[in-house]
Amino acid sequence: SQTIHQWPATLVQPVGSPLSLECTVEGTSNPNLYWYRQAAGRGLQLLFYSVGIGQISSEVPQNLSASRPQDRQFILSSKKLLLSDSGFYLCAWSVTGAGGGYTFGSGTRLTVV
Amino acid sequence: QKEVEQDPGPLSVPEGAIVSLNCTYSNSAFQYFMWYRQYSRKGPELLMYTYSSGNKEDGRFTAQVDKSSKYISLFIRDSQPSDSATYLCAMSLPSNTGKLIFGQGTTLQVKP
Repeated sequence: SQTIHQWPATLVQPVGSPLSLECTVEGTSNPNLYWYRQAAGRGLQLLFYSVGIGQISSEVPQNLSASRPQDRQFILSSKKLLLSDSGFYLCAWSVTGAGGGYTFGSGTRLTVV
Repeated sequence: QKEVEQDPGPLSVPEGAIVSLNCTYSNSAFQYFMWYRQYSRKGPELLMYTYSSGNKEDGRFTAQVDKSSKYISLFIRDSQPSDSATYLCAMSLPSNTGKLIFGQGTTLQVKP
C-alpha cells in the first residue's frame, strides 16, 4: 500500500533562518507531488507541484522553493524565513493522470518568530 | 471572483441531523469533484470522489454534482459527533498535472 511521510510535525524558526521540509512517498512510482500551505482559518493554497524528477512548477511567487531530487522525494525550502511564512504545510501525492484524488501527509505546523 | 466558493461556517447541528455542505464554482471545464475531511491539526483525507454530474453514495455520505448549475453538495445523514471536522470541496480539470482547486472549507460541529 502507498504511504506518505512528512516531517517534522512541528517547527518553530526565527525570522531569517533557513527552512527544509521533506516529504517522501512509498509504494508507488512516478507520482505527482504537491506542496500546499494552509493559513489559519483559510483554504489550501497550492505552492508547488511536480510531475517528475527535477520538474517543478511554482504557483505563487514567494520566499519559498521546491526540489524533487528523487522520484518519491519532495523538498520545500527557504533561504530566509519571513513572519508571513508561518502556516500549516501539507505535502500530497496523486497518481499521474487526470482527476486523481490526493493523499495528504500529516502536515508540518511552522511558526516563524 | 474565486474559482471555488464555499461557505466557511461554522455550522453547528445536533447529533442525528442531516447536514448539507455546498460549493459553487465558476469554471465549467471542471470534471472531477472531491470532498475532503480534515480534523483539527491533521492533513485532509479524501472522503468522496465523483466524475461529472450525478450522485454518489457511500454509507451515510452522498455527494451530488450539478454541472449545469456549477454546484456540488455533500450530504451527511444521521450525523455523529465524530463527523465534527472541516470539510473541503475540491475540483480539477482533465490534466496530467492533477492540480486541485480547493474551497475554503466549512467547519462542522455535531453536538451530542
